[in-house]
Amino acid sequence: EIVLTQSPGTLSLSPGERATLFCRASQSVSSSYLAWYQQKPGQAPRLLIYGASSRATGIPDRFSGSGSGTDFTLTISRLEPEDFAVYYCQQYGSSPGTFGQGTKLEIK
Amino acid sequence: EVQLVQSGAEVKKPGESLKISCKGSGYSFTTYWIAWVRQMPGKGLEWMGIIYPGDSDTRYSPSFQGQVTISADKSISTAYLQWSSLKASDTAMYYCARGRYSNGYYDYWGQGTLVTVSS
Repeated sequence: EIVLTQSPGTLSLSPGERATLFCRASQSVSSSYLAWYQQKPGQAPRLLIYGASSRATGIPDRFSGSGSGTDFTLTISRLEPEDFAVYYCQQYGSSPGTFGQGTKLEIK
Repeated sequence: EVQLVQSGAEVKKPGESLKISCKGSGYSFTTYWIAWVRQMPGKGLEWMGIIYPGDSDTRYSPSFQGQVTISADKSISTAYLQWSSLKASDTAMYYCARGRYSNGYYDYWGQGTLVTVSS
């Protein structure tokens, strides 16, 4: 089973700043089969990025994903108030698919 | 509009059985996989297993194999997650989610079903 480790655990930033979140896999993720989700309190997760860098339908272009192999990044170029949430990465290149433990993005 | 609508919150005692549901609409239910994901209180997401309603092909995470049963009734576009004997440690939010492949990402999610197991 591939273990995903997200860092930092908590990121404190202000609206308008740039956020960079990391996801490291214990072994290479085949074909960059990595997704990112956003979860707000009391809500289900929402798909942001799939295939490491493709934005899901309706996701603003301030969200971008990059990386390959074992190291992946989610970047939010300019934080909006609604972006403060918990973010999870998920690998689906090997079974079972696994999630990272999450990064909480909080308002500074 | 694609929707996954889950059954309501449940409060059960240890040892009781439970079956929760996830009804899909707005798309061809038999041509997408439905995954179940656990989120324990204050914790992250855990993939439990997945079913293809078209032929009921089912896969389980090793962590959940034998602990739960996933099924589907394609005639009513509904997937299920069931327990035969609940434990306090099963207390969690459970989400269903739609995926195009057995190994895939999930583009639509249900609203979640909170299961509380307490004596």
